[in-house]
Amino acid sequence: DAKTTQPNSMESNEEEPVHLPCNHSTISGTDYIHWYRQLPSQGPEYVIHGLTSNVNNRMASLAIAEDRKSSTLILHRATLRDAAVYYCILRDQTGANNLFFGTGTRLTVIP
Amino acid sequence: GAGVSQSPSNKVTEKGKDVELRCDPISGHTALYWYRQSLGQGLEFLIYFQGNSAPDKSGLPSDRFSAERTGGSVSTLTIQRTQQEDSAVYLCASSFGTANTEAFFGQGTRLTVV
Repeated sequence: DAKTTQPNSMESNEEEPVHLPCNHSTISGTDYIHWYRQLPSQGPEYVIHGLTSNVNNRMASLAIAEDRKSSTLILHRATLRDAAVYYCILRDQTGANNLFFGTGTRLTVIP
Repeated sequence: GAGVSQSPSNKVTEKGKDVELRCDPISGHTALYWYRQSLGQGLEFLIYFQGNSAPDKSGLPSDRFSAERTGGSVSTLTIQRTQQEDSAVYLCASSFGTANTEAFFGQGTRLTVV
């Protein structure tokens, strides 16, 4: 499976936008880019995913670079509830369909 | 049920005993995943099922760990002769069997080996 690289931690002020980066330079043409987050003392939850085009949903936006070697998860207005570890994951359409988590980015939201 | 259900939610066991952890996936989900998360650590992949077969068992840490899935639904993770280092939260997730779908996680089983 292709590897992703994320910063270990980031901080944001409450009600400010947050841009969480992810590098995946070895991504293949059949890999979907998924984002999950894990709130304290909870199981991970799905945030968003995409293949080539930018995606928006009620939780966040996903901006995918034209060469697909990087992506950015955008939280438009951070709230205290958004404090979590955010994971960027590649899921291969043609492979074993595994779901491997890296170390993620710990987001701290400052009131 | 509406989501992934894991039982028990908490389990305290004595070192050397065997334990069984259960996962009920969302109905219709063909893919099922088990992870282990030690305190303050990331998610360690254990095993993945597609239907009743396990294409990838590479994450099972030792031969004391085994898992099965029956009827393409419920899965059981068994740990034999538990050790203190097995103490962790064990998480289960399920999804439809394609890369274009999201996975849903249960709340986990917190295992404490004393």
